[in-house]
Amino acid sequence: DTAVSQTPKYLVTQMGNDKSIKCEQNLGHDTMYWYKQDSKKFLKIMFSYNNKELIINETVPNRFSPKSPDKAHLNLHINSLELGDSAVYFCASSPRPYEQYFGPGTRLTVT
Amino acid sequence: DQQVKQNSPSLSVQEGRISILNCDYTNSMFDYFLWYKKYPAEGPTFLISISSIKDKNEDGRFTVFLNKSAKHLSLHIVPSQPGDSAVYFCAASGRSGGSNYKLTFGKGTLLTVNP
Repeated sequence: DTAVSQTPKYLVTQMGNDKSIKCEQNLGHDTMYWYKQDSKKFLKIMFSYNNKELIINETVPNRFSPKSPDKAHLNLHINSLELGDSAVYFCASSPRPYEQYFGPGTRLTVT
Repeated sequence: DQQVKQNSPSLSVQEGRISILNCDYTNSMFDYFLWYKKYPAEGPTFLISISSIKDKNEDGRFTVFLNKSAKHLSLHIVPSQPGDSAVYFCAASGRSGGSNYKLTFGKGTLLTVNP
């Protein structure tokens, strides 16, 4: 019973391609997030949704577009992938302020 | 602009001894602090937290201390066990970003507990 799941776990693709990462949580939480952990290991928030509404949108290129079809899912679509997009992307969900539950991460490699 | 800093990239301790992980922050608007633990190839997992109105919170072998005047917090693990070997992230949250749900993370400290 995985609480927060992400697919795929690994994604290798070429520059210029469009790809999506899916996230699902079965915890009944209202809030979901996308984080990026770059090569310097910083974990930085990208987006947050509460009940399918966007509430946090950090300075992220508009090639990145989150989509929340329902409050259990938050997918991340990336257009025109660039080398600098290579990172580990983590999805998370939260039942209350501060307490977040993370997925296992998706390692994206752009060649 | 690192608002949450973990200046020690790694720490090595003997099993049974105390592990002390440190974290400094610069934003005085932060009002809640957390520690997350991360094993390789897994997502971070919540470990312990503390509100800015407290100076100590204890949960089993884990204690977090907060010194607001110094803008410093620390995580004590005692006794340390080999299974505690992981990367520990310090995180902070507050209303400065307009949302209680936004966490700012440090870079992490790799703790190795030697048998």
